[in-house]
Amino acid sequence: QQQVKQSPQSLIVQKGGISIINCAYENTAFDYFPWYQQFPGKGPALLIAIRPDVSEKKEGRFTISFNKSAKQFSLHIMDSQPGDSATYFCAGGTSGTYKYIFGTGTRLKVLA
Amino acid sequence: DAGVTQSPTHLIKTRGQHVTLRCSPISGHKSVSWYQQVLGQGPQFIFQYYEKEERGRGNFPDRFSARQFPNYSSELNVNALLLGDSALYLCASSFRGAGGANVLTFGAGSRLTVL
Repeated sequence: QQQVKQSPQSLIVQKGGISIINCAYENTAFDYFPWYQQFPGKGPALLIAIRPDVSEKKEGRFTISFNKSAKQFSLHIMDSQPGDSATYFCAGGTSGTYKYIFGTGTRLKVLA
Repeated sequence: DAGVTQSPTHLIKTRGQHVTLRCSPISGHKSVSWYQQVLGQGPQFIFQYYEKEERGRGNFPDRFSARQFPNYSSELNVNALLLGDSALYLCASSFRGAGGANVLTFGAGSRLTVL
């Protein structure tokens, strides 16, 4: 009931293309869904986050789409750049707690 | 402005030994959380401390312990190390963001190798 399932495990996209990473959660008590970006040798950095009361949130080239009934959410990276090459983690959690359940990560490679 | 700082960055231990990892949160952040990230996996919650009190604990054995000091820095201790404890240990400090969510800011981590 606590899992967050993430796919694909790895993704290769051409420069300028759209990268799409999908996540599904089980715990209906989750009300906060952040995405983290991690470069080698670094800790995860918050990229964008969404609450289930909205279906979409956009920040620059990054968009989260959220489907509450399906318990699924996804990250879209528009106009993908080689600098976006990193590992991306989705997560779910409950407001007021500090315990977030992370997905297993997607390694994105954007070809120049 | 300094971010979350962790030390040491890398360390190698042998099975059965003990390790202490240290974390300094962002100035003004009173909460510290610890996560374990095994290679190829997402971070897994270990502990959360707020105002020197343990507020949450993940599914880890009693060999794992932590504490928070009056200056809000924190230590994670692991006793009787096992090979499976090899991982990147991440510390995150938190603030309450818009809408009440606790936004985690991670440090670069301490990479522990157990031989």
